[in-house]
Amino acid sequence: QQKVQQSPESLIVPEGGMASLNCTSSDRNVDYFWWYRQHSGKSPKMLMSIFSNGEKEEGRFTVHLNKASLHTSLHIRDSQPSDSALYLCAASGYTNTGKLTFGDGTVLTVKP
Amino acid sequence: EAAVTQSPRNKVAVTGGKVTLSCNQTNNHNNMYWYRQDTGHGLRLIHYSYGAGSTEKGDIPDGYKASRPSQENFSLILELATPSQTSVYFCASGDGDNERLFFGHGTKLSVL
Repeated sequence: QQKVQQSPESLIVPEGGMASLNCTSSDRNVDYFWWYRQHSGKSPKMLMSIFSNGEKEEGRFTVHLNKASLHTSLHIRDSQPSDSALYLCAASGYTNTGKLTFGDGTVLTVKP
Repeated sequence: EAAVTQSPRNKVAVTGGKVTLSCNQTNNHNNMYWYRQDTGHGLRLIHYSYGAGSTEKGDIPDGYKASRPSQENFSLILELATPSQTSVYFCASGDGDNERLFFGHGTKLSVL
Protein backbone atom coordinates (compact mmCIF):
# COMPACT_ATOMS: atom_id res chain seq x y z
CA GLN A 1 0.00 0.00 0.00
CA GLN A 2 1.23 3.44 -0.98
CA LYS A 3 2.46 5.21 2.17
CA VAL A 4 2.03 8.68 0.74
CA GLN A 5 -1.29 9.31 -0.95
CA GLN A 6 -1.94 12.37 -3.09
CA SER A 7 -5.20 13.74 -4.40
CA PRO A 8 -6.51 14.55 -6.85
CA GLU A 9 -4.59 12.61 -9.49
CA SER A 10 -5.10 15.46 -11.90
CA LEU A 11 -6.44 18.98 -11.68
CA ILE A 12 -7.33 21.61 -14.24
CA VAL A 13 -7.63 25.24 -13.15
CA PRO A 14 -8.05 28.43 -15.16
CA GLU A 15 -5.26 30.95 -15.38
CA GLY A 16 -5.48 33.20 -12.34
CA GLY A 17 -7.35 30.58 -10.34
CA MET A 18 -6.51 28.72 -7.13
CA ALA A 19 -5.10 25.19 -7.19
CA SER A 20 -5.34 23.02 -4.08
CA LEU A 21 -3.41 19.77 -3.77
CA ASN A 22 -3.59 17.25 -0.93
CA CYS A 23 -1.22 14.70 0.57
CA THR A 24 -1.51 12.27 3.47
CA SER A 25 1.01 9.85 4.93
CA SER A 26 0.00 6.54 6.49
CA ASP A 27 3.41 6.18 8.17
CA ARG A 28 3.29 7.51 11.74
CA ASN A 29 7.09 7.77 11.76
CA VAL A 30 7.26 10.69 9.34
CA ASP A 31 8.11 14.14 10.62
CA TYR A 32 8.81 16.29 7.57
CA PHE A 33 6.93 16.95 4.37
CA TRP A 34 8.23 18.27 1.11
CA TRP A 35 6.64 19.44 -2.12
CA TYR A 36 8.57 19.00 -5.35
CA ARG A 37 7.53 20.24 -8.77
CA GLN A 38 8.48 18.39 -11.94
CA HIS A 39 7.88 19.89 -15.36
CA SER A 40 7.46 17.44 -18.20
CA GLY A 41 10.76 15.80 -19.14
CA LYS A 42 12.64 17.59 -16.37
CA SER A 43 13.96 16.68 -12.95
CA PRO A 44 12.07 17.36 -9.70
CA LYS A 45 12.85 20.64 -7.96
CA MET A 46 11.95 21.40 -4.38
CA LEU A 47 9.15 23.90 -4.07
CA MET A 48 8.45 24.04 -0.37
CA SER A 49 9.08 22.13 2.82
CA ILE A 50 7.19 22.14 6.10
CA PHE A 51 8.18 20.59 9.38
CA SER A 52 5.82 22.13 11.97
CA ASN A 53 2.08 22.38 12.38
CA GLY A 54 0.55 25.36 10.71
CA GLU A 55 1.03 27.33 7.56
CA LYS A 56 3.95 28.56 5.50
CA GLU A 57 3.71 31.04 2.65
CA GLU A 58 6.20 31.84 -0.09
CA GLY A 59 4.92 34.15 -2.78
CA ARG A 60 1.93 32.53 -4.52
CA PHE A 61 2.47 29.23 -2.74
CA THR A 62 1.07 28.28 0.67
CA VAL A 63 1.54 24.97 2.40
CA HIS A 64 -0.36 23.67 5.43
CA LEU A 65 0.54 20.82 7.75
CA ASN A 66 -1.50 18.95 10.34
CA LYS A 67 0.91 16.59 12.05
CA ALA A 68 -1.82 14.83 14.03
CA SER A 69 -3.45 13.64 10.82
CA LEU A 70 -0.20 13.61 8.79
CA HIS A 71 -1.92 15.69 6.17
CA THR A 72 -0.38 18.46 4.14
CA SER A 73 -1.82 20.62 1.40
CA LEU A 74 -0.34 22.95 -1.19
CA HIS A 75 -2.27 25.93 -2.49
CA ILE A 76 -1.25 27.94 -5.51
CA ARG A 77 -3.01 31.24 -5.99
CA ASP A 78 -3.08 33.22 -9.22
CA SER A 79 -2.08 30.05 -11.11
CA GLN A 80 -0.05 30.54 -14.28
CA PRO A 81 0.37 28.27 -17.32
CA SER A 82 4.01 27.85 -16.25
CA ASP A 83 2.71 26.18 -13.06
CA SER A 84 1.49 23.26 -15.19
CA ALA A 85 3.54 20.31 -13.93
CA LEU A 86 3.56 17.15 -11.83
CA TYR A 87 3.49 18.04 -8.13
CA LEU A 88 5.08 15.45 -5.90
CA CYS A 89 4.56 15.23 -2.17
CA ALA A 90 7.27 13.49 -0.15
CA ALA A 91 7.73 12.58 3.50
CA SER A 92 10.74 11.77 5.62
CA GLY A 93 11.65 11.01 9.18
CA TYR A 94 13.41 13.36 11.57
CA THR A 95 16.75 11.87 10.64
CA ASN A 96 17.90 10.87 7.18
CA THR A 97 15.81 13.63 5.66
CA GLY A 98 16.99 12.79 2.17
CA LYS A 99 15.38 9.37 2.38
CA LEU A 100 12.11 10.47 0.89
CA THR A 101 8.94 8.50 0.33
CA PHE A 102 7.10 10.06 -2.59
CA GLY A 103 3.47 9.97 -3.57
CA ASP A 104 2.47 9.40 -7.19
CA GLY A 105 1.82 13.09 -7.70
CA THR A 106 -0.89 15.42 -8.93
CA VAL A 107 -0.79 16.59 -12.54
CA LEU A 108 -1.76 20.25 -12.59
CA THR A 109 -2.84 21.88 -15.83
CA VAL A 110 -3.43 25.63 -15.89
CA LYS A 111 -5.59 26.66 -18.86
CA PRO A 112 -4.96 30.11 -20.37
CA GLU B 1 22.08 26.31 -8.10
CA ALA B 2 23.68 23.04 -7.10
CA ALA B 3 25.02 20.92 -9.92
CA VAL B 4 24.38 17.21 -10.33
CA THR B 5 25.34 15.62 -13.63
CA GLN B 6 24.29 12.17 -14.79
CA SER B 7 25.59 10.05 -17.63
CA PRO B 8 24.46 8.72 -19.96
CA ARG B 9 21.22 10.65 -20.70
CA ASN B 10 19.77 7.65 -22.49
CA LYS B 11 20.75 3.99 -22.46
CA VAL B 12 19.43 0.94 -24.25
CA ALA B 13 20.58 -2.35 -22.74
CA VAL B 14 19.94 -6.01 -23.42
CA THR B 15 18.43 -8.36 -20.89
CA GLY B 16 21.19 -9.95 -18.83
CA GLY B 17 23.71 -7.28 -19.65
CA LYS B 18 25.57 -5.08 -17.18
CA VAL B 19 24.64 -1.40 -16.91
CA THR B 20 26.43 1.34 -15.02
CA LEU B 21 24.82 4.71 -14.43
CA SER B 22 27.10 7.51 -13.27
CA CYS B 23 26.48 10.60 -11.21
CA ASN B 24 28.78 13.51 -10.38
CA GLN B 25 28.07 16.40 -8.02
CA THR B 26 30.09 19.56 -7.52
CA ASN B 27 28.19 20.74 -4.43
CA ASN B 28 30.47 19.05 -1.90
CA HIS B 29 27.40 17.42 -0.40
CA ASN B 30 27.95 14.43 1.83
CA ASN B 31 24.76 12.60 0.89
CA MET B 32 23.86 11.18 -2.50
CA TYR B 33 20.84 9.19 -3.60
CA TRP B 34 19.58 7.07 -6.47
CA TYR B 35 15.86 7.09 -7.20
CA ARG B 36 13.85 5.58 -10.04
CA GLN B 37 10.66 6.98 -11.51
CA ASP B 38 8.26 4.87 -13.53
CA THR B 39 5.89 6.56 -15.95
CA GLY B 40 3.19 8.54 -14.18
CA HIS B 41 4.48 7.75 -10.71
CA GLY B 42 6.57 9.19 -7.94
CA LEU B 43 10.17 8.37 -7.16
CA ARG B 44 11.39 5.34 -5.22
CA LEU B 45 14.69 5.17 -3.35
CA ILE B 46 17.14 2.49 -4.52
CA HIS B 47 20.43 3.21 -2.74
CA TYR B 48 22.01 6.12 -0.91
CA SER B 49 25.35 7.14 0.54
CA TYR B 50 26.54 9.32 3.41
CA GLY B 51 30.03 9.82 2.01
CA ALA B 52 32.91 8.27 0.14
CA GLY B 53 33.13 4.54 0.70
CA SER B 54 29.61 4.19 2.14
CA THR B 55 26.50 2.79 0.52
CA GLU B 56 23.14 1.93 2.08
CA LYS B 57 20.08 0.11 0.79
CA GLY B 58 16.98 2.11 0.12
CA ASP B 59 13.43 0.87 -0.31
CA ILE B 60 13.91 -1.13 -3.53
CA PRO B 61 17.56 -2.28 -3.66
CA ASP B 62 17.06 -5.75 -5.21
CA GLY B 63 18.86 -6.09 -8.53
CA TYR B 64 21.00 -3.00 -7.96
CA LYS B 65 24.40 -2.25 -6.48
CA ALA B 66 25.90 1.14 -5.69
CA SER B 67 29.41 2.50 -5.45
CA ARG B 68 30.69 5.76 -3.92
CA PRO B 69 34.40 5.97 -4.70
CA SER B 70 34.68 9.67 -3.90
CA GLN B 71 32.73 12.61 -2.48
CA GLU B 72 31.77 13.66 -6.00
CA ASN B 73 30.84 10.39 -7.67
CA PHE B 74 28.08 7.86 -7.05
CA SER B 75 27.32 5.00 -9.44
CA LEU B 76 24.38 2.65 -9.79
CA ILE B 77 25.17 -0.80 -11.20
CA LEU B 78 22.75 -3.29 -12.70
CA GLU B 79 24.74 -6.54 -12.92
CA LEU B 80 22.04 -8.46 -14.81
CA ALA B 81 19.59 -6.01 -16.32
CA THR B 82 15.95 -7.05 -16.67
CA PRO B 83 13.06 -5.41 -18.59
CA SER B 84 11.43 -4.54 -15.23
CA GLN B 85 14.33 -2.15 -14.64
CA THR B 86 13.25 -0.02 -17.58
CA SER B 87 12.71 3.37 -15.97
CA VAL B 88 14.06 6.88 -15.52
CA TYR B 89 16.80 7.03 -12.92
CA PHE B 90 17.51 10.19 -10.95
CA CYS B 91 20.58 10.90 -8.88
CA ALA B 92 20.39 13.53 -6.15
CA SER B 93 22.67 15.14 -3.61
CA GLY B 94 21.87 16.74 -0.27
CA ASP B 95 23.81 18.45 2.48
CA GLY B 96 22.34 16.63 5.45
CA ASP B 97 20.25 18.48 8.03
CA ASN B 98 16.69 19.14 6.81
CA GLU B 99 18.15 18.62 3.42
CA ARG B 100 16.78 19.88 0.19
CA LEU B 101 17.67 17.44 -2.56
CA PHE B 102 19.17 18.58 -5.85
CA PHE B 103 18.39 16.20 -8.68
CA GLY B 104 20.27 15.49 -11.85
CA HIS B 105 18.48 15.55 -15.21
CA GLY B 106 17.86 11.81 -15.16
CA THR B 107 18.91 8.79 -17.21
CA LYS B 108 16.28 7.05 -19.30
CA LEU B 109 17.09 3.33 -19.33
CA SER B 110 15.38 0.85 -21.62
CA VAL B 111 16.14 -2.84 -21.13
CA LEU B 112 15.09 -4.93 -24.13
